[in-house]
Amino acid sequence: AQSVTQLGSHVSVSEGALVLLRCNYSSSVPPYLFWYVQYPNQGLQLLLKYTTGATLVKGINGFEAEFKKSETSFHLTKPSAHMSDAAEYFCAVRDNSGGSNYKLTFGKGTLLTVNP
Amino acid sequence: EAGVTQFPSHSVIEKGQTVTLRCDPISGHDNLYWYRRVMGKEIKFLLHFVKESKQDESGMPNNRFLAERTGGTYSTLKVQPAELEDSGVYFCASSQVGGDGTQYFGPGTRLTVL
Repeated sequence: AQSVTQLGSHVSVSEGALVLLRCNYSSSVPPYLFWYVQYPNQGLQLLLKYTTGATLVKGINGFEAEFKKSETSFHLTKPSAHMSDAAEYFCAVRDNSGGSNYKLTFGKGTLLTVNP
Repeated sequence: EAGVTQFPSHSVIEKGQTVTLRCDPISGHDNLYWYRRVMGKEIKFLLHFVKESKQDESGMPNNRFLAERTGGTYSTLKVQPAELEDSGVYFCASSQVGGDGTQYFGPGTRLTVL
């Protein structure tokens, strides 16, 4: 069974500071990995994804994440936080073993607060 | 291109009543998923349709939940009778068949059972 652990249910940073949201996964096969973001009163929006190829992936709004197989991690970073980044962020994993097992397994989410 | 839409955005019902949630996927997406987030918990998978067929319903909590996707277009999720523990946000997502299967989510329906 797959699982996702997001360290820190709440992360607070100052505007302009580095954002680092941690995600570790457990999967018996190479996974597909996703970060979604939920802004207040909105639905889930895809931020970025890793499927195959380059392990450093770039997403929208200046975010990026690096797939590290040896560490089973997919941490999300942004060099300089903006007030508009305040939201809840979800890491998710999808089985990549083929077949039709497409369901996502999510972490519990990390609420990012950006202080002026 | 329109995204995934869900109706209603909010629903408040009393225990024992029936509620039906609707999801319209992105046009051309044969895969449709339902997820639920109970307060304080993670988003959890409920079930997966491929066109009108239920591919995986392993996450459905119990037989009070009934999902349908007649004609392979929109889907409904009915809760009958609703219990207090059914409160939460119900998300729908859709994806194309093949490719990397990236799922696109709707805004969710917030269900409150009193």
